[in-house]
Amino acid sequence: EVQLVESGGGLVQPGGSLRLSCAASGFIFSNYAMTWVRQVPGKGLEWVSAISGTGGSTYYADSVKGRFSISRDNSRNTLFLQMNSLRAEDTAVYYCAKARGDSSGWRFDYWGQGSLVTVSS
Amino acid sequence: EIVMTQSPATLSVSPGERATLSCGASQSVGSNLAWYQQKVGQAPRLLIYGASTRATGIPGRFSGSGSGTEFTLTISSLQSEDFAVYYCQQYSDWPPFTFGGGTKVEIK
Repeated sequence: EVQLVESGGGLVQPGGSLRLSCAASGFIFSNYAMTWVRQVPGKGLEWVSAISGTGGSTYYADSVKGRFSISRDNSRNTLFLQMNSLRAEDTAVYYCAKARGDSSGWRFDYWGQGSLVTVSS
Repeated sequence: EIVMTQSPATLSVSPGERATLSCGASQSVGSNLAWYQQKVGQAPRLLIYGASTRATGIPGRFSGSGSGTEFTLTISSLQSEDFAVYYCQQYSDWPPFTFGGGTKVEIK
């Protein structure tokens, strides 16, 4: 059974940093790209970042480029999102998701339960 | 960036009735279109990918159709557990992957 468990969310001041983790199990982690998607409570879904199975390729939404960094540790089956220079508009529930597909693109077939990040003074 | 537009924003349907949700893309995405279901307090769940292929474990009452810029998700006979918000997502031209704004299916 595929399981994705996020951790690391919480309250942080504007300009601060936070690191989210996503522990994966139930599949061969290194074989799959992974992604982060966020959702402001009561609003829609916004894709944030993605990383290839090897970690060699990373992708970012313009809204977080230069401030967020995605990485993975395939030996520990864990995905990370380092978030720096946080802004109030980054407040959201952050989901990690497993990506499935090919070079044409990825759908997201399994999702974690989400981790709430609140940026406020 | 491809903009995804969903309609209607809210759909009121009685249990047992058919629901038809629409998703439009600002440019062609071929068949690289997925649908997700999100219930209150839960993570999204993949329903459909490739515009029309049901994901693992998804009941047959869910079907997807369309290609290019116009797509439809149909729920043939709504069950109580189907009342939720539904999102479409394109994965043709990325980054970024983009989602529609969602359609809330509520009980009439």
